[in-house]
Amino acid sequence: AQTVTQSQPEMSVQEAETVTLSCTYDTSESDYYLFWYKQPPSRQMILVIRQEAYKQQNATENRFSVNFQKAAKSFSLKISDSQLGDAAMYFCAYRSAAQIQGAQKLVFGQGTRLTINP
Amino acid sequence: SQTIHQWPATLVQPVGSPLSLECTVEGTSNPNLYWYRQAAGRGLQLLFYSVGIGQISSEVPQNLSASRPQDRQFILSSKKLLLSDSSFYLCAWSVPGRDYGYTFGSGTRLTVV
Repeated sequence: AQTVTQSQPEMSVQEAETVTLSCTYDTSESDYYLFWYKQPPSRQMILVIRQEAYKQQNATENRFSVNFQKAAKSFSLKISDSQLGDAAMYFCAYRSAAQIQGAQKLVFGQGTRLTINP
Repeated sequence: SQTIHQWPATLVQPVGSPLSLECTVEGTSNPNLYWYRQAAGRGLQLLFYSVGIGQISSEVPQNLSASRPQDRQFILSSKKLLLSDSSFYLCAWSVPGRDYGYTFGSGTRLTVV
C-alpha cells in the first residue's frame, strides 16, 4: 500500500519570506497524482496544487510551487512571499492513476502546521 | 457550479445514541463520494467511498456504516456511538475519470459524551 510521509510536524516562517514543506511517498507505481491541500483553522480542506507524475515540469499556482523528484519520491511545496493567510495545516496526498472499482482514493500524510510570523 | 453541503457542523451525542451525518452534492451527476475521519492534529483516514447509488466500499472496520440512497447524497451512520467515535468527519466528492482531486465539505465535529 502507498504511504505518504510529512516529516515536519510544524514549521514557521516570517511574513514575506519563503518556506518549503517536505513530503515523501512510497509507491511501486509509475503513474500517479500528487496533491497539496491546505486546512486553515476553519478546517475546510482546500486544494492548493496538483502534479501528474508523468509530467517532468513542476506545477505552479501563483505563490505556490512544487519540487517533484520522481526518482527520490519527493514532493515538496514552496510558498513564496508568505502571507498571514497562509497559516494552516498542509497535507500532502497521493492518488494512484489506476482506477480501482472506479474510485480515486487519496492517501494523506499526517500534515505540517505552518505558522506565519508577522 | 458544483457545491457540496455537509451537516450538521457540530454535534454532541451521548454514548449509545444513533448517528446520522449527511452530505449532498449539487451541480454534478454520478460523483464519487467519500467519508473521511480526522483526529485532532492528525491526517485523514478514509472510511467509506461510493461510486454509485447503493454501492458502498468500506476501508476500515468500525462502528460506522455508510449509505448512498440517491445519486448525490451520502450518509454516515451509527446505531450506537462509542466514545472513540468522537472526531472530525469530512465528506468529499470527485469526478469519475478526472484527476482534479477532491472537493471537500466543511466537516462535522462530533463529540460523544
